[in-house]
Amino acid sequence: DIQMTQSPSSLSASVGDRVTVTCRASQSISSYLNWYQQKPGKAPKLLIYAASSLQSGVPSRFSGSGSGTDFTLTISSLQPEDFATYYCQQSYIPPRTFGQGTKVEIK
Amino acid sequence: QVQLQQWGAGLLKPSETLSLTCAVYGGSFSGYYWSWIRQTPGKGLEWIGEINHSGSTNYNPSLKSRVTISVDTSKNQFSLKLSSVTAADTAVYYCGRGNNYGGRSGIAFDIWGQGTMVTVSS
Repeated sequence: DIQMTQSPSSLSASVGDRVTVTCRASQSISSYLNWYQQKPGKAPKLLIYAASSLQSGVPSRFSGSGSGTDFTLTISSLQPEDFATYYCQQSYIPPRTFGQGTKVEIK
Repeated sequence: QVQLQQWGAGLLKPSETLSLTCAVYGGSFSGYYWSWIRQTPGKGLEWIGEINHSGSTNYNPSLKSRVTISVDTSKNQFSLKLSSVTAADTAVYYCGRGNNYGGRSGIAFDIWGQGTMVTVSS
């Protein structure tokens, strides 16, 4: 299985901050990388697919980059509704695997 | 707007079979990969498996011996059965739509059900 490792596991940030979350794959996955946001008690929500494509309806402050093994999710200006847990997921080969999550908390 | 609604038993005893169903409302059933994913505090998000409209399946090897995913295209529904459950199968189970955007990307789960908490306890 391809292992997905996110860093950091958690971070504290303020409204308006630029936030970056990193995801590393245990082998090259080209651009087959997706990002999700999850709030407590809710299902995950797709933000970014194919490493850098913004899902319809997602604010443009979210962006993704990377290819191969190293990927980044960036929130350009953190908003109150962005405090949540973020997950990466590889879609290169089954089994489809997720990172362990990065919790973004209010500073 | 496509919605997924899922249901099934929430409390099971060890050795019983978990059974969940997910209905697809408001959209096409073909062209997507209909998936089951579970979430636990300890293991995080774990993909269980998927099925397409023609019944072709992929399963997570770690669960393959116990999992069956089936589809009823006449009802726009798909189902999960997980046999011989133990406490380790206690989790929130989600159904999801796997979308490869017309072949332009890998599978991304763009629509999710509301989740079902399944507890296995004697």
